[in-house]
Amino acid sequence: SQKIEQNSEALNIQEGKTATLTCNYTNYSPAYLQWYRQDPGRGPVFLLLIRENEKEKRKERLKVTFDTTLKQSLFHITASQPADSATYLCALGNNDMRFGAGTRLTVKP
Amino acid sequence: NAGVTQTPKFQVLKTGQSMTLQCAQDMNHEYMSWYRQDPGMGLRLIHYSVGAGITDQGEVPNGYNVSRSTTEDFPLRLLSAAPSQTSVYFCASSPEYRVANEQFFGPGTRLTVL
Repeated sequence: SQKIEQNSEALNIQEGKTATLTCNYTNYSPAYLQWYRQDPGRGPVFLLLIRENEKEKRKERLKVTFDTTLKQSLFHITASQPADSATYLCALGNNDMRFGAGTRLTVKP
Repeated sequence: NAGVTQTPKFQVLKTGQSMTLQCAQDMNHEYMSWYRQDPGMGLRLIHYSVGAGITDQGEVPNGYNVSRSTTEDFPLRLLSAAPSQTSVYFCASSPEYRVANEQFFGPGTRLTVL
């Protein structure tokens, strides 16, 4: 069966460091992959989209990689800030979107 | 634009009751979907629609009905609520189907079934 796994439920890092979140998938060949941010009590908000033929995408302090051979995406936040604290979800897309369970990131000052 | 709106924000039902969760978008989006979110399980797709009059099942459709009579509205019906349907429900929309687009999510409805 199709599985989407995000490396850990929670990640704690110090302000200024780089946060790296992992998304692994099995039995799936997605055409694209997306990352979303979700704050408590709110709906997810789109951050980045990367297609299967792209290796890397950047947006300000965010960077996403997509390795279709390893079936893995890495999501990096550089120079992290306490305001980056949230849950981050990866989602795989073809005809519909399937989401991972998310990683809760806490950035400590 | 209001984006994606959902009503109600909170709802408590008794087992066996029925209700409709409302979802509307004002962005003229073709694709709309319903997800439920449970702790540790992420968002799971219930039903989706690729246009007015067209709906299809997602990953967890049992116990839920949908219809899409207009582009703007996509209500989710619980015919006979069960405690297993206690969850947070999110509606989302996207400009086009089968095109890599971001999804816009509503604020969610927190449903408790006693």
